Amino acid sequence: NAGVTQTPKFRVLKTGQSMTLLCAQDMNHEYMYWYRQDPGMGLRLIHYSVGEGTTAKGEVPDGYNVSRLKKQNFLLGLESAAPSQTSVYFCASSYLFSGRTPRYEQYFGPGTRLTVT
Amino acid sequence: GQQLNQSPQSMFIQEGEDVSMNCTSSSIFNTWLWYKQDPGEGPVLLIALYKAGELTSNGRLTAQFGITRKDSFLNISASIPSDVGIYFCAGLLGTSYGKLTFGQGTILTVHP
Repeated sequence: NAGVTQTPKFRVLKTGQSMTLLCAQDMNHEYMYWYRQDPGMGLRLIHYSVGEGTTAKGEVPDGYNVSRLKKQNFLLGLESAAPSQTSVYFCASSYLFSGRTPRYEQYFGPGTRLTVT
Repeated sequence: GQQLNQSPQSMFIQEGEDVSMNCTSSSIFNTWLWYKQDPGEGPVLLIALYKAGELTSNGRLTAQFGITRKDSFLNISASIPSDVGIYFCAGLLGTSYGKLTFGQGTILTVHP
């Protein structure tokens, strides 16, 4: 299993340009998440999805859109990039067990380093 | 949003020393997770804790779910150079669709 993969690994955008980050997981996880990581800020949740066709806002959703058309893929879009969106973006997925103890362990991809000039 | 206070922010230690770090919150969490992030990589899950008072080990790492459910601790024994990285705690409130709240991270540097 590849786990969680992200493309691209690096990208430089000019202010106002758009782009889409792709996240794919092969673990049949129901839940998927997009985070951004900035120095001294830890990981902040942008958007998340609890299943195919569903999305919801996280802590810092402004300026981003997401789509989950297939269970294994979660796309993050920037319609008009701004320098404040320079960051490292991580995708994660998790699987909710139906047993006695629900488990919410999230597994992360390797990240996409985005610079907006 | 919810805040997790993770301390210390950074540590500089000699190889072979033991390390302790912790996370505290004003809220009660049902799950505590500890992650390690190597430079240029995504966070990797080290230990997951699901019950108050639970003590779990993973090799030289030991983590505990605080009795009050508002804190968690991670200990690393006999540190080695490859322990270098950023360690994050993460807590889960209720079910919250699996949404985690992350601490700010502890940067660990190990001198040979």
